[in-house]
Amino acid sequence: AQKITQTQPGMFVQEKEAVTLDCTYDTSDPSYGLFWYKQPSSGEMIFLIYQGSYDQQNATEGRYSLNFQKARKSANLVISASQLGDSAMYFCAMRSNDYKLSFGAGTTVTVRA
Amino acid sequence: IAGITQAPTSQILAAGRRMTLRCTQDMRHNAMYWYRQDLGLGLRLIHYSNTAGTTGKGEVPDGYSVSRANTDDFPLTLASAVPSQTSVYFCASSEGVGGAGYNEQFFGPGTRLTVL
Repeated sequence: AQKITQTQPGMFVQEKEAVTLDCTYDTSDPSYGLFWYKQPSSGEMIFLIYQGSYDQQNATEGRYSLNFQKARKSANLVISASQLGDSAMYFCAMRSNDYKLSFGAGTTVTVRA
Repeated sequence: IAGITQAPTSQILAAGRRMTLRCTQDMRHNAMYWYRQDLGLGLRLIHYSNTAGTTGKGEVPDGYSVSRANTDDFPLTLASAVPSQTSVYFCASSEGVGGAGYNEQFFGPGTRLTVL
């Protein structure tokens, strides 16, 4: 069974600073995918970034980057130059071979002006 | 293009009543999913469908049923609602088996259900 762990229930970050959200996972599948989603207070789920288990380089998408450490089974999200609009809940998820997603409990990020 | 629509947006329901949450996608995705979101637990998979005509159980299927008569629609039914089913319900879809790319799941806006 897949398991995703996000150990930080909530974080505060100063505007324009970087923040790292932790995510560790557990799987016995050799092939898997890791996703990060953002959920603002309005409730919708917004896809941010994807990392495949066989990808050699860390994924980047604008101000989002994924620090993928396969041996440690971690896939931390880094948000650079935080903006007030980054305040939201962030979910790490892992896709198994059958295309289902397992989600972590989420981390709430609050950006301070 | 609407993507995924869900109805109703919110609902208050008496315990014991039957309720169907509707989900429709216009992306011709093969796979569809139902999740419930509860504070501190993230999103948990209730049921899924890899293609029209097939369904499968997720992590928390008890008390819920689904059907997939066609590609676009994936309704979720609570046969006899209980207060523990109070939650926010998200429908999602992805290209699924045979699709190109990494099979990102696209989410609907959610349905907030309260069972009293």
